[in-house]
Amino acid sequence: EAQVTQNPRYLITVTGKKLTVTCSQNMNHEYMSWYRQDPGLGLRQIYYSMNVEVTDKGDVPEGYKVSRKEKRNFPLILESPSPNQTSLYFCASSFDLAGNNEQFFGPGTRLTVL
Amino acid sequence: GENVEQHPSTLSVQEGDSAVIKCTYSDSASNYFPWYKQELGKRPQLIIDIRSNVGEKKDQRIAVTLNKTAKHFSLHITETQPEDSAVYFCAATPLNFGNEKLTFGTGTRLTIIP
Repeated sequence: EAQVTQNPRYLITVTGKKLTVTCSQNMNHEYMSWYRQDPGLGLRQIYYSMNVEVTDKGDVPEGYKVSRKEKRNFPLILESPSPNQTSLYFCASSFDLAGNNEQFFGPGTRLTVL
Repeated sequence: GENVEQHPSTLSVQEGDSAVIKCTYSDSASNYFPWYKQELGKRPQLIIDIRSNVGEKKDQRIAVTLNKTAKHFSLHITETQPEDSAVYFCAATPLNFGNEKLTFGTGTRLTIIP
């Protein structure tokens, strides 16, 4: 089944404790992105990747890191989480060799930073 | 960078009536405009998209129109049904960069009144 998976789905942590949210896709997509969703603000892009070892900042990259060592995986790293990073996070992948642009979203990770 | 504004933020319509959601964008280089639907507690999913070489696109009860001169595009849902209740997001991107730099609107919560 073609899908984007994220783990964990829910996470409660404390300020300053490093965490990683994993993202994996099995559709051989070239592009992957991370978004955060906050009430009234819609979906805002954090980071994106056009290919292995190629990443770039989105609109709200502060406090986040990413890596793309393999085509299928795109983890999101919070080195020192703060309460303002409490949010719903979505990973997405898109663009296959047939040129389809649809973004496929993962199920979301609800993060609470205390 | 691109800025996408979406209106209204909430919309209630009687079942069977039509719903219209409007978006404006700022970057004249944008040429791909998808619409995503997010049901409560679920991930966003693509429902329709349009490219700048087309003025209108229809898919059953859903249609999207694009006015490149005015930099606005709209989603039209006819004969609304209860399952149309969801949050709808418009987005815009210049496709020549791939769609990894997708900018979303802030969303419209559509409620269908039985």
